[in-house]
Amino acid sequence: NAGVMQNPRHLVRRRGQEARLRCSPMKGHSHVYWYRQLPEEGLKFMVYLQKENIIDESGMPKERFSAEFPKEGPSILRIQQVVRGDSAAYFCASSPPGQGSREQFFGPGTRLTVL
Amino acid sequence: QQQVKQSPQSLIVQKGGISIINCAYENTAFDYFPWYQQFPGKGPALLIAIRPDVSEKKEGRFTISFNKSAKQFSLHIMDSQPGDSATYFCAAQPYNNNDMRFGAGTRLTVKP
Repeated sequence: NAGVMQNPRHLVRRRGQEARLRCSPMKGHSHVYWYRQLPEEGLKFMVYLQKENIIDESGMPKERFSAEFPKEGPSILRIQQVVRGDSAAYFCASSPPGQGSREQFFGPGTRLTVL
Repeated sequence: QQQVKQSPQSLIVQKGGISIINCAYENTAFDYFPWYQQFPGKGPALLIAIRPDVSEKKEGRFTISFNKSAKQFSLHIMDSQPGDSATYFCAAQPYNNNDMRFGAGTRLTVKP
């Protein structure tokens, strides 16, 4: 049973370009969360999605950032017109449906570097 | 938006010693308190978790102590080993949604 998959693992973009980060949750998981981790800092919640629905995007910057979790395929975190301050590790986590399990399983992360 | 405060920021312990990391929270809606372990270049992995109906939970060398009235919880690592050297995050999740709030992390170094 594969864990949470994220790709790419490393992404380099120049200022003004777009970054697309992908996350495939664990099999059977329908909840996806995105977090951002700046160097030497903790994880900051960005957005919580279920299939085709954004449940909570209170941690998402108001501009340039968007997320989706389509019926088919991985969840995508999109950052438009990247700036140097977007350089960080972005982690995706997934959890199974229902309230029974509270554990979130994390992927290995995508390290974004903006030149 | 720091809802969970974690201390210390870094910790150095000798092999065989006890590592103690503390967290405090304000939101009384939190009812699930996990600890995550993260090695460099990896994603966080769940270590141990507790709910507020118990004051202590132990799994091997790892123990969570929970003080509901003080809104504090802590991780104790007994007989600390060099392989425990990692960054540890406490977290808290409210009962009414799946949002998880993380502490800033503690970088633990266990010296041989």
